[in-house]
Amino acid sequence: GEDVEQSLFLSVREGDSSVINCTYTDSSSTYLYWYKQEPGAGLQLLTYIFSNMDMKQDQRLTVLLNKKDKHLSLRIADTQTGDSAIYFCAEVGETTDSWGKLQFGAGTQVVVTP
Amino acid sequence: EAGVTQFPSHSVIEKGQTVTLRCDPISGHDNLYWYRRVMGKEIKFLLHFVKESKQDESGMPNNRFLAERTGGTYSTLKVQPAELEDSGVYFCASSQPETSRDAWYTEAFFGQGTRLTVV
Repeated sequence: GEDVEQSLFLSVREGDSSVINCTYTDSSSTYLYWYKQEPGAGLQLLTYIFSNMDMKQDQRLTVLLNKKDKHLSLRIADTQTGDSAIYFCAEVGETTDSWGKLQFGAGTQVVVTP
Repeated sequence: EAGVTQFPSHSVIEKGQTVTLRCDPISGHDNLYWYRRVMGKEIKFLLHFVKESKQDESGMPNNRFLAERTGGTYSTLKVQPAELEDSGVYFCASSQPETSRDAWYTEAFFGQGTRLTVV
């Protein structure tokens, strides 16, 4: 089956940039997502990118997609303490029969230190 | 408008007992999904309802899990009998009818999850 892999932990100083990496195996991936889960909260869609794009920027967030290497990254500029959370990479493929049947990674725990 | 609501937020039960989780989707959302995250691993798809019908239940782990969505509104996920490996966080999501590929990222929302601990 398809796999999505992420590093499990990232520590970053407040004000620095964070980069969270993700690799996936499904060559038919069409949409790739980044979700954020804060303590005690649900999954919040942060941003997404289509497979025909290389980059997407949304305020402090930059998503880079290398489709050849099946590598996705999320860069958070000027990381704040409120960015401490678990970040999940997810994808859905062209062959899916449901756009809600996402393949998630295990999540990257980001800890922001003062 | 209320978001996706899940009950309870936490549940601790003994192995062999029965637990029922509930999800109330956003009003008007025909699609309802159940996901599960076990012990810090990846979030895995369990099943997908379209209204009251099971569209895809390929992710259900075994026959100890029963999902229902009577009347096409709220859904329940029953685990009977619960085993230790069922511990995890169960998420529910809902979305508008998938009339286009854009439907998920524009209209889908997750609940806060139910943390299930089987001891």
